[in-house]
Amino acid sequence: QVQLQESGPGLVKPSETLSLICTVSGGSISSYSWNWIRQPPGKGLEWIGYIYYSGNTNYNPSLKSRVTMSVDRSKNQFSLNLRSVTAADTAVYYCARGYDSSGFNWFDPWGQGTLVTVSS
Amino acid sequence: DIQMSQSPSSLSASVGDRVTITCRASQSIGLYLNWYQQKPGKAPNLLIYAASILQSGVPSRFSGTGSGTDFTLTITSLQPEDFAVYYCQQSHSTLLTFGGGTKVEIK
Repeated sequence: QVQLQESGPGLVKPSETLSLICTVSGGSISSYSWNWIRQPPGKGLEWIGYIYYSGNTNYNPSLKSRVTMSVDRSKNQFSLNLRSVTAADTAVYYCARGYDSSGFNWFDPWGQGTLVTVSS
Repeated sequence: DIQMSQSPSSLSASVGDRVTITCRASQSIGLYLNWYQQKPGKAPNLLIYAASILQSGVPSRFSGTGSGTDFTLTITSLQPEDFAVYYCQQSHSTLLTFGGGTKVEIK
């Protein structure tokens, strides 16, 4: 079955760029939407955005000015760049597949998540 | 933005209890409502999609009902492995949003 795995630095300095990669195994990235979702410690879930395999994107307006997502079909990976980070961006970052059926869509499966701390 | 609110934010229950969690959308979302379970230190796991369809492999003690703005997740006969945080999520709008979560604790 499809599995997702996040990777990237666990510590980022304020004002720098947070960069994460999600590697998809057990299936092709050439379908579905591929999402990033984050969860500050002890808090709820916030959807960051998605990218389709075609490269089309949809970002949360609250983060849109700082977010870029890309997809690398040759490596079955997609990535997240979040610029100008502050302590408020400290969170567990999850990647997740957006599954679509008959117009309905949901997140399944999810990666295990990676904690990114913003601190000098 | 479509705001999702859940109630209660937390509850205490015993093994074998029937538990009901409510999710309310700030505007009508039809059946575009999903439920997830999250255990400590783990990623959320899909339980129900399209308001009432049980994801494959999820025990039948979980069920979802509702449409429009009001939805419920019911767990009949709560099991020890069900103590977790539950989130609803709407997929009606292009801005996908989650409820704040409901923590189900052991009484």
